[in-house]
Amino acid sequence: QVQLQESGPGLVKPSQTLSLTCTVSGGSISRADYYWSWIRQPPGKGLEWIGYIYYSGNTFYNPSLKSRVTISVDTSKNQFSLNLSSVTAADTAVYYCARIPFGDYLFDYWGQGTLVTVSS
Amino acid sequence: QSALTQPASVSGSLGQSITISCTGTSGDVGSYNFVSWYQQHPGKAPKVMISEDSKRPAGVSNRFTGSKSGNTASLTISGLQAEDEADYYCCSFAGSRTLIFGGGTKLTVL
Repeated sequence: QVQLQESGPGLVKPSQTLSLTCTVSGGSISRADYYWSWIRQPPGKGLEWIGYIYYSGNTFYNPSLKSRVTISVDTSKNQFSLNLSSVTAADTAVYYCARIPFGDYLFDYWGQGTLVTVSS
Repeated sequence: QSALTQPASVSGSLGQSITISCTGTSGDVGSYNFVSWYQQHPGKAPKVMISEDSKRPAGVSNRFTGSKSGNTASLTISGLQAEDEADYYCCSFAGSRTLIFGGGTKLTVL
C-alpha cells in the first residue's frame, strides 16, 4: 500500500520561500500511472489545489499560484517537492501531498498533512 | 478560476438521506466526467468517496452515491450514520490539466 509523508519547516518568515518534501513509500514515483500533487488548506477553510508533477518532470499549476510555485521530482529518492516563494500570512495552511492516477483526476492517496505557519 | 459552489452546511437525522450539491460551469463540471468527492473528518486528511462523477472506489459504502446534471454534481448519502458527520468537498477537472475544489460543506448528523 502506497504511503505519502510530508516534511519540512513548520514556520517560515514572510517574503521567504516555503519548501516541503513528500516522500513516497510502497511504490515507485517513477511509474507512468500517476501524477504527484500538492494541495493546501488554510486553518478552518477549504481545500485548494496547488499543482502536480509527472515523473518525467512535466508540471501543471493552479493559475492563481503559478507565478510563485515550483514542483520538482527526485526519482532517485522517491520524493517530490514544493517551493512557494514570497510567502505571506495568507499562505499559512496545512499542506498535503497526494497521488493522482494518470487520466483519472482524483486524489486517491494522501499524506497526513503538515502545518506551515508564515510569521515573523 | 473560481471555486465550485457548495452549500456551507447541511444536516440530517440518523437514517435519513441528504444531498450535497456542487455547482460549476460549462468549463469544468459541465464539460468533463471528472468530478470527485472527498470526506474529511477534523484533523484528518481527506478521503475519496466518489470519482468520475459517480464511481465508488473499493471500500466505500454503497450509501454514498454521486450524480451529475449539467453544471451541477451531487453527492447523496443515504441511511445517515453518526460517522458520516464530516466536511465534504467536491473537485472537478477544469481543462488545461487543472483542478478546482468546491468550498466545502459541513454535514451535521442530528
